[in-house]
Amino acid sequence: EAQVTQNPRYLITVTGKKLTVTCSQNMNHEYMSWYRQDPGLGLRQIYYSMNVEVTDKGDVPEGYKVSRKEKRNFPLILESPSPNQTSLYFCASSLQGPLNEKLFFGSGTQLSVL
Amino acid sequence: GEDVEQSLFLSVREGDSSVINCTYTDSSSTYLYWYKQEPGAGLQLLTYIFSNMDMKQDQRLTVLLNKKDKHLSLRIADTQTGDSAIYFCAEEKGSYIPTFGRGTSLIVHP
Repeated sequence: EAQVTQNPRYLITVTGKKLTVTCSQNMNHEYMSWYRQDPGLGLRQIYYSMNVEVTDKGDVPEGYKVSRKEKRNFPLILESPSPNQTSLYFCASSLQGPLNEKLFFGSGTQLSVL
Repeated sequence: GEDVEQSLFLSVREGDSSVINCTYTDSSSTYLYWYKQEPGAGLQLLTYIFSNMDMKQDQRLTVLLNKKDKHLSLRIADTQTGDSAIYFCAEEKGSYIPTFGRGTSLIVHP
């Protein structure tokens, strides 16, 4: 089944403790992206990747890192999480880019930073 | 101001039509999308419209685009309780960074 898999679904952590949210897709998609969703703010893009070893900042990249060492995986790294990074995070992928391409979304990761 | 604006809530009776509105600011937007998010789930692409089209129909869904006013709407005919969700409008300007609205919560009551 074609899907985007994020792990974990829920994560509670403390300020400053490094964490990684994994994202994997099995559709051989070139484009992958991370969003955060906050109440009243909608979805905002954090980082995106057009292909292996190619990553670019989205609208709200501060405090986040990503890597794209292989096509299927696009982990989101928070080196030193802070409470303002408490949010619902979505990973998405598409074949070549969101332009006229269906974006497939993961189920989301609810992160709470205490 | 916001790039993409939507009202936050819409409440309709089951069986009625729902109309969710969206305005955007960038006239160079090439594609405009509607996504649906059900509780506890990711987003699903419902439909999209290319900027040179005025209307697109897909079963119960009708998308209308008024480029002059930069206004996009999603009409759901015969709204059902299963249509209760958050609906996101998004514009794509060719930069690979789609801009989403804040989402409209559609509540369908009997």
